Amino acid sequence: AQSVAQPEDQVNVAEGNPLTVKCTYSVSGNPYLFWYVQYPNRGLQFLLKYITGDNLVKGSYGFEAEFNKSQTSFHLKKPSALVSDSALYFCAVRDRDYGQNFVFGPGTRLSVLP
Amino acid sequence: KAGVTQTPRYLIKTRGQQVTLSCSPISGHRSVSWYQQTPGQGLQFLFEYFSETQRNKGNFPGRFSGRQFSNSRSEMNVSTLELGDSALYLCASSTSTGATMGYTFGSGTRLTVV
Repeated sequence: AQSVAQPEDQVNVAEGNPLTVKCTYSVSGNPYLFWYVQYPNRGLQFLLKYITGDNLVKGSYGFEAEFNKSQTSFHLKKPSALVSDSALYFCAVRDRDYGQNFVFGPGTRLSVLP
Repeated sequence: KAGVTQTPRYLIKTRGQQVTLSCSPISGHRSVSWYQQTPGQGLQFLFEYFSETQRNKGNFPGRFSGRQFSNSRSEMNVSTLELGDSALYLCASSTSTGATMGYTFGSGTRLTVV
């Protein structure tokens, strides 16, 4: 079975500071991993994905994520947070070998304080 | 290129009624998936269609159904509405079954059951 955990409901960071939003996953096979962002009353927007290859993935708006197979993690990072990054962030996994649909984490609300 | 279009944006229905939601995917996308988003349960997978065939189904009662047309547009129907069906319903499209490309989400339909 596939599952995703985002251990923090809320992350607060000061503008200009680095941010990290954590994600751990569980799959039977090999994972496809994604990050999405959701702004109020909107659908989810794709940020980045890990399919294969380099463990460090760069995505939209300066975000990046590192795939760590041994720790089954895929944490989202940004070197310098902006107030406009404040939103709800979702990690998602799909089992490359056994999965049939994406499973999303519960979401982490990021607040960037000016 | 137009995005994923969901109609209507907002809907208020009475308990016991039925409702139909519509989703027009990005041109060329043949896969459409539906998710229910609520504050308590997060994002839950409803079903996925590809080329008019239901590929996967989540763990929802039979009151929830869907279909996909030859032009890839999709509808989902909920019969005998319950108060707990109040949610944001998100449609997502992809070129294939989304395994590597990820999804493009619509802005959702906010359903309120009173």
